[in-house]
Amino acid sequence: EAQVTQNPRYLITVTGKKLTVTCSQNMNHEYMSWYRQDPGLGLRQIYYSMNVEVTDKGDVPEGYKVSRKEKRNFPLILESPSPNQTSLYFCASSSPRTMNTEAFFGQGTRLTVV
Amino acid sequence: QKEVEQDPGPLSVPEGAIVSLNCTYSNSAFQYFMWYRQYSRKGPELLMYTYSSGNKEDGRFTAQVDKSSKYISLFIRDSQPSDSATYLCANTGGFKTIFGAGTRLFVKA
Repeated sequence: EAQVTQNPRYLITVTGKKLTVTCSQNMNHEYMSWYRQDPGLGLRQIYYSMNVEVTDKGDVPEGYKVSRKEKRNFPLILESPSPNQTSLYFCASSSPRTMNTEAFFGQGTRLTVV
Repeated sequence: QKEVEQDPGPLSVPEGAIVSLNCTYSNSAFQYFMWYRQYSRKGPELLMYTYSSGNKEDGRFTAQVDKSSKYISLFIRDSQPSDSATYLCANTGGFKTIFGAGTRLFVKA
């Protein structure tokens, strides 16, 4: 079954404690992306990756890091989380063959930073 | 001004109604327009996409793009309670994708 898997689904952490949200896809997609979803603001792109070792900033990259060492994995790293990073996070993957019009999303990670 | 503007609703309609969901966009360089549906506690799923201007129909759903007015529309015919969800419009030029805030739709049985 084609899927994007994020872990964990829920996370409560304290300010400043480094955390990583993992994302893995099994569709051999070149393109992966991270979004955060906030009420009234919709989905905003944090970082995206066109392929292994190729990443670029989206609209809201401050406070986040990513890496793409393998095609299937695209972890999101918060080095020093702050309360304003409390949000619902989604990882997505897609193929350039569809011009990235069909993105497959994970189930989401609800992060609370206290 | 946000690059993709969408009325958040909520929009409540009776079963069987025709639903019209709308967005405006500002980046003319992005030629692909998508509609995603998101059920509660789930990730968004692609409903359909269009390239440039024109209409595209898929069952009860019709997507329409008017590039002269920078307007994107999704029409749902014979709406069903199972259509109750948040609908997100999006615009992409390839790598970067901009989403609207989403419109919450409730279809009452």
